[in-house]
Amino acid sequence: GAVVSQHPSRVICKSGTSVKIECRSLDFQATTMFWYRQFPKQSLMLMATSNEGSKATYEQGVEKDKFLINHASLTLSTLTVTSAHPEDSSFYICSSAGTEEMNTEAFFGQGTRLTVV
Amino acid sequence: LAKTTQPISMDSYEGQEVNITCSHNNIATNDYITWYQQFPSQGPRFIIQGYKTKVTNEVASLFIPADRKSSTLSLPRVSLSDTAVYYCLEYPWGGATNKLIFGTGTLLAVQP
Repeated sequence: GAVVSQHPSRVICKSGTSVKIECRSLDFQATTMFWYRQFPKQSLMLMATSNEGSKATYEQGVEKDKFLINHASLTLSTLTVTSAHPEDSSFYICSSAGTEEMNTEAFFGQGTRLTVV
Repeated sequence: LAKTTQPISMDSYEGQEVNITCSHNNIATNDYITWYQQFPSQGPRFIIQGYKTKVTNEVASLFIPADRKSSTLSLPRVSLSDTAVYYCLEYPWGGATNKLIFGTGTLLAVQP
């Protein structure tokens, strides 16, 4: 079945630096992908919708200048956490968008554990 | 805001059948009901999806009544490895952006 691959699985960075997380669709083209954030013992919170070839759509309360999303190709979406701070430490997850035409559900990446020190 | 309501947690024992019920009080006509499973530090994994009546696959069954105001995920003969968080979601097929909005999920703890 369709697979979404996310990299890296975990990253530790210093406060003030930027971190890029990649999300790839391995055997299908993804015009739309989604980025979520999950804090410990909490549910997934949708951050933004990544659209191939156009600007991402951010959910209310998510800073677009801090969480930069690029979807330059049909198989790759990236999330860059800029000027990271300890409060940005979280589990970040990407997903594809299921399509009724292909009768497929949404597939999720393995997630990226970000720790800002 | 999450569209669904489900119990925060459930306990079970190995070998038992577990039924997790979810409320879909405001489900839209074009929404499918989808269930995902998530283990710690992993992305959610699709379990099953349906529109109405009963759907069964190799891992679970999904029961949806005619009014579609609820759904029940049934896991037959659970094992310790089924300990996870289970999310019920409403999936808007055909929408401009068919994004998934997660609720609280149900933490299922399977005891030996």
